[in-house]
Amino acid sequence: EVQLVESGGGLVQPGRSLKLSCLASGFTFSNYGMNWIRQAPGKGLEWVASISSSSSYIYYADTVKGRFTISRDNAKNTLYLQMTSLRSEDTALYYCARPNYGSYDVMDAWGQGASVTVSS
Amino acid sequence: DVVLTQSPATLSVTPGERISLSCRASESVDTYLHWYQQKPNESPRLLIKYASQSISGIPSRFSGSGSGTDFTLSINGVELEDLSIYYCQQGNSLPFTFGSGTKLEIK
Repeated sequence: EVQLVESGGGLVQPGRSLKLSCLASGFTFSNYGMNWIRQAPGKGLEWVASISSSSSYIYYADTVKGRFTISRDNAKNTLYLQMTSLRSEDTALYYCARPNYGSYDVMDAWGQGASVTVSS
Repeated sequence: DVVLTQSPATLSVTPGERISLSCRASESVDTYLHWYQQKPNESPRLLIKYASQSISGIPSRFSGSGSGTDFTLSINGVELEDLSIYYCQQGNSLPFTFGSGTKLEIK
């Protein structure tokens, strides 16, 4: 069974940093690109970042470019999102999502989400 | 960025009804258009990929159609368990973008 389990969320002050992790199991993690997608409270879905299977290709939404860093450790089956200079508008539930095999844009598996609240 | 406009924002339906949800793109996304269902307090679930391709494990009452800029998600015989928000998402170009969702309410 495919599982994605996010961790590392919490309450953080504006301007501070936080690092999310997503532990993958039930599939060969190193064969898949991965994504972070977030959802602000009561709002819709927003794509945040993507990373290819070997970390060769990395893309960010303009709203987080220069502040967030996506990375992965295939030996540990883990995806990361390092978030710096956090703002109130970064408050959201952060999902890691796996694309359908052979694609990079169809999210066929999602974690349960890690909650990030940016507030003083 | 490609803007996806979903309509209606909210739809009240009677169980057993056939309904259609719309997703319109600001520019052509070919068939790189996917549909997700999000039930309250749950993660999104993939319903339809590439506009019309079915997904294993998804009930056959869900179907999709369209290409270019106009897409439709149809539910043939709505059930109570379909109470959810439905999102479309385009994968034709980065950044991937989502529509604002259609909330399905049961009368």
